Amino acid sequence: QQKVQQSPESLIVPEGGMASLNCTSSDRNVDYFWWYRQHSGKSPKMLMSIFSNGEKEEGRFTVHLNKASLHTSLHIRDSQPSDSALYLCARGTNAYKVIFGKGTHLHVLP
Amino acid sequence: EAAVTQSPRNKVTVTGGNVTLSCRQTNSHNYMYWYRQDTGHGLRLIHYSYGAGNLQIGDVPDGYKATRTTQEDFFLLLELASPSQTSLYFCASSDSRGYTQYFGPGTRLLVL
Repeated sequence: QQKVQQSPESLIVPEGGMASLNCTSSDRNVDYFWWYRQHSGKSPKMLMSIFSNGEKEEGRFTVHLNKASLHTSLHIRDSQPSDSALYLCARGTNAYKVIFGKGTHLHVLP
Repeated sequence: EAAVTQSPRNKVTVTGGNVTLSCRQTNSHNYMYWYRQDTGHGLRLIHYSYGAGNLQIGDVPDGYKATRTTQEDFFLLLELASPSQTSLYFCASSDSRGYTQYFGPGTRLLVL
């Protein structure tokens, strides 16, 4: 039973375009959401975290969280080829035991 | 940035063999984790620890033992390796708040 559903599995956007990635938890007892980015052949690195309802922006990256629907989304504006990577959504009922989704493969075409 | 190292980086063993994967973090983090990453399954938590001598069961613990000998060192043990354990293994650490996990470079294990 997959507790963190990510969509789409794969996404292709042109350079300069907007990429939108989605993540939903099937567990209502969730307080923490993260987005990690994993470039090919590398280890995951935390990109953004969000723990409260609403929106959080850092540069070209914006994260939304709706706790009522257990849904978070990551939006990347002005996408660059260097943004091509596997994006992993993670959720936790505490900050320590975290469950990851299968990820969305983002491809940004020059 | 937090430093987490893993060894070996690549390992080949045979079915039934013993394997020990090592992880060290030098950032005085309390929490350490072992994950496996497989195509179609994403990252799955095997075991984690919140300090020397402590061990917590993760989501896919069968066939794995782990031991936290010091605050810096966390080991993953496969005592009777099976082909189903062929995978990419990541170690990670986080501080007491746990808000960010820092991952090591990974160990690629092949069980023949």
